[in-house]
Amino acid sequence: GNSVTQMEGPVTLSEEAFLTINCTYTATGYPSLFWYVQYPGEGLQLLLKATKADDKGSNKGFEATYRKETTSFHLEKGSVQVSDSAVYFCALFRETSYDKVIFGPGTSLSVIP
Amino acid sequence: SAVISQKPSRDICQRGTSLTIQCQVDSQVTMMFWYRQQPGQSLTLIATANQGSEATYESGFVIDKFPISRPNLTFSTLTVSNMSPEDSSIYLCSVVTDGGVHTEAFFGQGTRLTVV
Repeated sequence: GNSVTQMEGPVTLSEEAFLTINCTYTATGYPSLFWYVQYPGEGLQLLLKATKADDKGSNKGFEATYRKETTSFHLEKGSVQVSDSAVYFCALFRETSYDKVIFGPGTSLSVIP
Repeated sequence: SAVISQKPSRDICQRGTSLTIQCQVDSQVTMMFWYRQQPGQSLTLIATANQGSEATYESGFVIDKFPISRPNLTFSTLTVSNMSPEDSSIYLCSVVTDGGVHTEAFFGQGTRLTVV
């Protein structure tokens, strides 16, 4: 079945450090891929998405590229801020007769000044 | 896009009781989803709620414990029945809109349930 795997956290970085959170997926066909973010005490928000191979999603300085050949969608940011501290979820959506969004386990990021 | 209103936002309930969570969407959607997020965990899909048919439950979730209603294309309820402390979680309503490049999942703010 379809599944999403992402790097285990928690991840702790200093402000202005480079961030990579790995995400790989298993799915038939061509799913849409997402990164969702959950700030402390808040609901889930879409951070970025990509709907086909080689697409790059970007938002708020974060980027992720849909790599069909490696079935990956790694999240990157060149310089993190304290305000980026949150839990990040990689997810996929496969539009079939039984649509649903499948989430990875989440990666907690803490950015320290 | 879709705006989802979910209520209550939080509740503290006695074990053995039931709580019904409401989810209202500002547009008509075919499918609505109910997720559970246990403390420090990812989202686990409970069921898919289709208008006019029985909800489809994921493995480990049953209708007697989590009955769902879907009376129309903009509204759904999830009931957590005969609650125990293990049911303490955040429950989230979600919809997926459009398709192709416009595909996106939207979430309610969640219901934070504590069972004592």
